[in-house]
Amino acid sequence: GAVVSQHPSWVICKSGTSVKIECRSLDFQATTMFWYRQFPKQSLMLMATSNEGSKATYEQGVEKDKFLINHASLTLSTLTVTSAHPEDSSFYICSASASGRGWTDTQYFGPGTRLTVL
Amino acid sequence: QKEVEQNSGPLSVPEGAIASLNCTYSDRGSQSFFWYRQYSGKSPELIMFIYSNGDKEDGRFTAQLNKASQYVSLLIRDSQPSDSATYLCAVNTATSDKLIFGTGTRLQVFP
Repeated sequence: GAVVSQHPSWVICKSGTSVKIECRSLDFQATTMFWYRQFPKQSLMLMATSNEGSKATYEQGVEKDKFLINHASLTLSTLTVTSAHPEDSSFYICSASASGRGWTDTQYFGPGTRLTVL
Repeated sequence: QKEVEQNSGPLSVPEGAIASLNCTYSDRGSQSFFWYRQYSGKSPELIMFIYSNGDKEDGRFTAQLNKASQYVSLLIRDSQPSDSATYLCAVNTATSDKLIFGTGTRLQVFP
């Protein structure tokens, strides 16, 4: 149990285009999803926390107009990188937790999406 | 002071030995503690979580928590080359669903 999928697993796009990444919890309902970014040989960086049916909470320094997050259902959250530039090239990873049980919730990670912007 | 600290390593151990990975955290209100394994180029994979002081064992893995010392560790018995990865310590708090990650310790198990 607790399987999280992401699609696509990798994407190459031209500078200035937008890219949408999907994150799905396959066998549980995730009221909270998290989006992380990881550059090579660096640690995970939390970008935003997404709660179903409400606006995402972005971490300091993350542009909410550039990284659009939609958590439309209990099993799906999407991250759209708008007007992508080469510096947005990174490994984007989502995680999901079945919130509602307080602080004991565990985060389960998706396999990640590797974005390359040319 | 970083919220969650880990030695970056690499920690090198021979195959069959016990690998000991350590983590300290700064928030005394922290309630739950997680260990994730991350292979190069892959996403983190949950190994164990622990909430109470003491030891928790799962197969070759043992998590140890000492809240008074604000210290959590992961022991890997009978280390295998396939255990070579970066191990991330993560801490939750009573006031947030977010996980605070350490920078990870790279473990190398050599044959």
